[in-house]
Amino acid sequence: NAGVTQTPKFQVLKTGQSMTLQCAQDMNHEYMSWYRQDPGMGLRLIHYSVGAGITDQGEVPNGYNVSRSTTEDFPLRLLSAAPSQTSVYFCASSRDRGWNSPLHFGNGTRLTVT
Amino acid sequence: DAKTTQPPSMDCAEGRAANLPCNHSTISGNEYVYWYRQIHSQGPQYIIHGLKNNETNEMASLIITEDRKSSTLILPHATLRDTAVYYCIVRAYTGANSKLTFGKGITLSVRP
Repeated sequence: NAGVTQTPKFQVLKTGQSMTLQCAQDMNHEYMSWYRQDPGMGLRLIHYSVGAGITDQGEVPNGYNVSRSTTEDFPLRLLSAAPSQTSVYFCASSRDRGWNSPLHFGNGTRLTVT
Repeated sequence: DAKTTQPPSMDCAEGRAANLPCNHSTISGNEYVYWYRQIHSQGPQYIIHGLKNNETNEMASLIITEDRKSSTLILPHATLRDTAVYYCIVRAYTGANSKLTFGKGITLSVRP
């Protein structure tokens, strides 16, 4: 049971490039989400999904797209990277979005946009 | 969302109990208290959560006051590997979102 797996661990992009951050979980969790962590800002919710085929925006969705074609995978796409998207990105999942359902996090992707 | 307040840092000796306090005076009746920790730059790690009863698992114990305005996370026998930033969070929902506001947490330093 690997939990939540994120790839790649590190990535450097030039402004305007696109890429996809991968997230997979093997716990059959319905709920998945993406956060970014910046110094002094805590963790901010980008997008989330309550099940396959269902996604919605979080607090800071601009510049990011997501899709959820399977229960296991929840990729995050940057269509045209900007320096403001330099951050550490965490994917998280939980059994459901109930208040009694802990989030489990991956180990993050460290993205630098130059 | 209910806010939480934690002291910025504390330390304890290896092998001793570490008691990490948290205030959440505006918590509402159906909000859970969660504790996570983040070691170095790894992803936050779930530790424990509770509603109003004290909880214990293999990692820690959570003591919630009767009025639910504060709680204490107890690591019964701290080790050097427990050095981390610990976040006390009240999990709330705004509409359909599951928002987790982590704040700055408390940095626990375990000394040999």
